[in-house]
Amino acid sequence: AQSVTQLDSQVPVFEEAPVELRCNYSSSVSVYLFWYVQYPNQGLQLLLKYLSGSTLVESINGFEAEFNKSQTSFHLRKPSVHISDTAEYFCAVTRTGGGNKLTFGTGTQLKVEL
Amino acid sequence: ETGVTQSPTHLIKTRGQQVTLRCSSQSGHNTVSWYQQALGQGPQFIFQYYREEENGRGNFPPRFSGLQFPNYSSELNVNALELDDSALYLCASSRSGGTGEQFFGPGTRLTVL
Repeated sequence: AQSVTQLDSQVPVFEEAPVELRCNYSSSVSVYLFWYVQYPNQGLQLLLKYLSGSTLVESINGFEAEFNKSQTSFHLRKPSVHISDTAEYFCAVTRTGGGNKLTFGTGTQLKVEL
Repeated sequence: ETGVTQSPTHLIKTRGQQVTLRCSSQSGHNTVSWYQQALGQGPQFIFQYYREEENGRGNFPPRFSGLQFPNYSSELNVNALELDDSALYLCASSRSGGTGEQFFGPGTRLTVL
């Protein structure tokens, strides 16, 4: 079985400041990792994913995450946040090779302030 | 490419009633998963359907049941509703044997009074 820990329930940050949202996972098998974003009263949107290859993955809106196998982490970063980045961010994991069941963390509320 | 759709958007029921939620999968996807997201929590896996059969289940009681139809759309049924069933119910579709990437619908907000 897999589990995900998101260490921060809320992260307040000023606009244009950098941010890091932390995610650690636990699994006895190899995994795929995902970050999803949820805006108020909406479903989940995939932000980025790690499947294999380069451990640094990027999204189209400036977020990046780095897979660190030794530390079992997949932290999400953005060098300069915008007010529109205010949302709930969920880290998720699934085992490789099928199954497709996603295990989510409890989420981190990113609040960008002016 | 049509995305995942869910209906209804909102629903209010009373304790003990039954409810059916519906989901249409994204074009080309043959697997549907359902998740329950309680307020302030991450989504919890309920079950998954593939080829019209249940293909994995989370820690939910039998009063949570589902169906998948030949066109890959799906229903989630919950019997004997309890107050704790109040949540956002999310449907996600994917391709079998894929990378685990799932595409989510907007959800159905269920309130049990």
